[in-house]
Amino acid sequence: DSGVTQTPKHLITATGQRVTLRCSPRSGDLSVYWYQQSLDQGLQFLIQYYNGEERAKGNILERFSAQQFPDLHSELNLSSLELGDSALYFCASSVDGGGNYEQYFGPGTRLTVT
Amino acid sequence: LAKTTQPISMDSYEGQEVNITCSHNNIATNDYITWYQQFPSQGPRFIIQGYKTKVKNEVASLFIPADRKSSTLSLPRVSLSDTAVYYCLVVAWSGYSTLTFGKGTMLLVSP
Repeated sequence: DSGVTQTPKHLITATGQRVTLRCSPRSGDLSVYWYQQSLDQGLQFLIQYYNGEERAKGNILERFSAQQFPDLHSELNLSSLELGDSALYFCASSVDGGGNYEQYFGPGTRLTVT
Repeated sequence: LAKTTQPISMDSYEGQEVNITCSHNNIATNDYITWYQQFPSQGPRFIIQGYKTKVKNEVASLFIPADRKSSTLSLPRVSLSDTAVYYCLVVAWSGYSTLTFGKGTMLLVSP
């Protein structure tokens, strides 16, 4: 158990819909990262927050957005969903924002878009 | 951003030592080399990180030559439970760099 929690575990929705994925970092960690893993694209970094502020952006689509709240939990919002958005979405946290800090990954949310 | 190259897959048997080599020819001075392990449908798990020479922890060793253009993850006496994908990453020591995962190496350990 990494100490990072993600909800829900599974999510099935239809194209065009909007969903919200939630992540709670390990106690004491200030940085949260979101990743998308699909079979054809591998593990892709989406976005990073550090202590409530956006710190780095990766391959995140404009239909996707995220935020980190004062209690440090984070939410990833996916809208206008397409079939290709079906993937495993991982949240990770680290004590600080530097890439050299060990990241602890959550169990993931499996999103299926039908 | 330093690009890494590692074998797509490797096979081994239980009890053997496995060495997975990663090349990172354009590694920068302030870059660290980091390895993660991922089991199917689980998030990656940090294994080891190093800057130069040799680093060892309870699960693995990391060998880095003087020119730092490659690194080798060594797993001693693997078991079936070591079957996983292993990712080699190069990350900046400071600043707010992020992790870039490549395809990784699929290690299959057989009885």
